[in-house]
Amino acid sequence: GQQVMQIPQYQHVQEGEDFTTYCNSSTTLSNIQWYKQRPGGHPVFLIQLVKSGEVKKQKRLTFQFGEAKKNSSLHITATQTTDVGTYFCAGSGYSTLTFGKGTMLLVSP
Amino acid sequence: DGGITQSPKYLFRKEGQNVTLSCEQNLNHDAMYWYRQDPGQGLRLIYYSQIVNDFQKGDIAEGYSVSREKKESFPLTVTSAQKNPTAFYLCASSPQGRDYNEQFFGPGTRLTVL
Repeated sequence: GQQVMQIPQYQHVQEGEDFTTYCNSSTTLSNIQWYKQRPGGHPVFLIQLVKSGEVKKQKRLTFQFGEAKKNSSLHITATQTTDVGTYFCAGSGYSTLTFGKGTMLLVSP
Repeated sequence: DGGITQSPKYLFRKEGQNVTLSCEQNLNHDAMYWYRQDPGQGLRLIYYSQIVNDFQKGDIAEGYSVSREKKESFPLTVTSAQKNPTAFYLCASSPQGRDYNEQFFGPGTRLTVL
């Protein structure tokens, strides 16, 4: 079955530093979604990428979808303490999502 | 105020007992999902339903059962056959059971089996 791998598992940064998490799929994806889960909370949808090579930005967050549609990345510029949480990528099947294990981001002030 | 509700937030049960977790949505979504989350793990799909009176097994369905008698409700029963039931359970819904739809999650139920 489809597998989605995400690295790193954990990252601790100082406020103001950049952060990147990477997602790789064993199969070509029709699209990829990103979610954020705050500590003690539930996942919240951030964005969906559909096209090969697509790049989307949300303020300090930049999302990329690889040319082969098998990998994706989320980059946060100048992290803030509000960015703390676990970031999940999720690759799509026909009617279900396969989630990566997530990258936990800790930001120290 | 639309959304997904799960109750209770915390649940304790003795080993060998079945327990049912509630999930209700008023978003008029067709598709609903149950996930299990363990520490350091991603979300693993237990069951999903794309329409009333129909549901499919996910990746880890053994020891669980569901029903979808109403569009708004998708309860999950954790049976005594589930070997490691202690976990955080998340319910989600989406407008249609297609991969291009974002999923909306409930607040989750943290189940502890003693």
